[in-house]
Amino acid sequence: GQQLNQSPQSMFIQEGEDVSMNCTSSSIFNTWLWYKQDPGEGPVLLIALYKAGELTSNGRLTAQFGITRKDSFLNISASIPSDVGIYFCAGQVGGTSYGKLTFGQGTILTVHP
Amino acid sequence: DARVTQTPRDKVTEMGQEVTMRCQPILGHNTVFWYRQTMMQGLELLAYFRNRAPLDDSGMPKDRFSAEMPDATLATLKIQPSEPRDSAVYFCASGFFSSSAGELFFGEGSRLTVL
Repeated sequence: GQQLNQSPQSMFIQEGEDVSMNCTSSSIFNTWLWYKQDPGEGPVLLIALYKAGELTSNGRLTAQFGITRKDSFLNISASIPSDVGIYFCAGQVGGTSYGKLTFGQGTILTVHP
Repeated sequence: DARVTQTPRDKVTEMGQEVTMRCQPILGHNTVFWYRQTMMQGLELLAYFRNRAPLDDSGMPKDRFSAEMPDATLATLKIQPSEPRDSAVYFCASGFFSSSAGELFFGEGSRLTVL
C-alpha cells in the first residue's frame, strides 16, 4: 500500500519564526491535503492541492504539490502561539480508490512565545 | 456552518461491553469514513462508504467491529465486545469525492476508554 513519510516528527520554534514541513510518498497522488489538529479536536482542513506544481496560500500558510506528484510541503510564515498543534499531510491516489486518503504520521509543532 | 457531528464525545466502558458510536455526515457528501487515532498508530482508516455502500472495511477487526450506514444522515460504528486495546479516539469524516478531487471534513471525535 501507499506509504507517506512526513517530516519532521516535531518542531520547537520561537514565535515569529518560519516553519517548513514536508511529506514524501512511494506512490503518485492526484490530491494532497494538509490538516491541523488541535488537542481534543478533529483535524481541520487547511489547504487542498490538485495539480502537480500547484502552489496555494491560505493566510500565512503556503503549500505546494510537488512536480513528481510524490511530495508536498507546507510552510508557515511568522509563526504565532495559536499555530501549535499537529499538522498532517494526506494524499489521494484517485481511480477506484478515490476518496481513500493516506495520512502522514503528523508533525507536532510547539511555538514558544 | 455545516459540520460532521459525532456522538458520544466521550465514552468510558468496561471490557466486554458493546459500544456504538454515531455520526451525522455533512448533507450532500457522498463518502463517509471511520478513522481511529492512537498515539502509537496515528490515524488508521477503519472503513468507508460511498453513497451508503461499504467500499472498504479492511482496516477493521471483523470479529468485533461493524460499520453501517442505515441512511444518508447516519453512520454507525459498533464494537462488540469491547477490549482495552480498543481505547482510542474514533473519528468520522465525510466528503464529496470524484475521481479527480475531493476534500475530507472530520468530526470532533469520540474518545473511547475501555477499562
